Amino acid sequence: QVQLVQSGPEVKKPGASVKVSCKASGYSISTYGVTWVRQAPGQGLEWMGWISSHNANTNYAQKLQGRVTMTTDTSTSTTYMELRSLRSDDTAFYYCARHQGDYGDYYFDYWGQGTLVTVSS
Amino acid sequence: SYVLTQPPSVSVPPGQTARIPCGGNNIGSKSVHWYQLKPGQAPVVVVYDDSDRPSGIPERFSGSNSGSTATLTISRVEAGDEADYYCQVWDSSSDHPVFGGGTKLTVL
Repeated sequence: QVQLVQSGPEVKKPGASVKVSCKASGYSISTYGVTWVRQAPGQGLEWMGWISSHNANTNYAQKLQGRVTMTTDTSTSTTYMELRSLRSDDTAFYYCARHQGDYGDYYFDYWGQGTLVTVSS
Repeated sequence: SYVLTQPPSVSVPPGQTARIPCGGNNIGSKSVHWYQLKPGQAPVVVVYDDSDRPSGIPERFSGSNSGSTATLTISRVEAGDEADYYCQVWDSSSDHPVFGGGTKLTVL
């Protein structure tokens, strides 16, 4: 069955970097794109960016441009999200999610379990 | 960029029908997807492509989309339906998803 399994919780100091992994199983990672979404405490879902399955193209949220990088290692079926220069308002649950549907009308049919990233001095 | 508007909260007694709206400019021309988010759990898609239901989602969950409003309808609401619900579309102009602000469903 399809599963997305994310890495464990992280505690980081302001200014540090974090790299969250999302390991796919039950399907070919080369077939579906992946989106990263986060949810800060008491807030809604915030799209962070996506990475294409075909050519590793990426599209990042404007507010995170320059701080976020998404990559895929097809040999291990793992997608990564690295966020740099962490601030306290980056404290959130981070989710990866698989794209499904037609291009331009994607939704997310499978999600990782979430990774809590806490930024605190 | 494209904006989706949801009410912060909806409350219904058990056994009644909950309707959660999602407003957007000409949203009827887009495909709308709905997610259920419970504390400590990953989001789950409950309706996709306006009105389709993934396998395993009860028939009590349905969706509609027309004009400027899409609606998630939950019939015969149960205590276990209490959760946050988010609508989502894909904004073709910026080529990324857009989420509504979320609606907390409370079962009275």
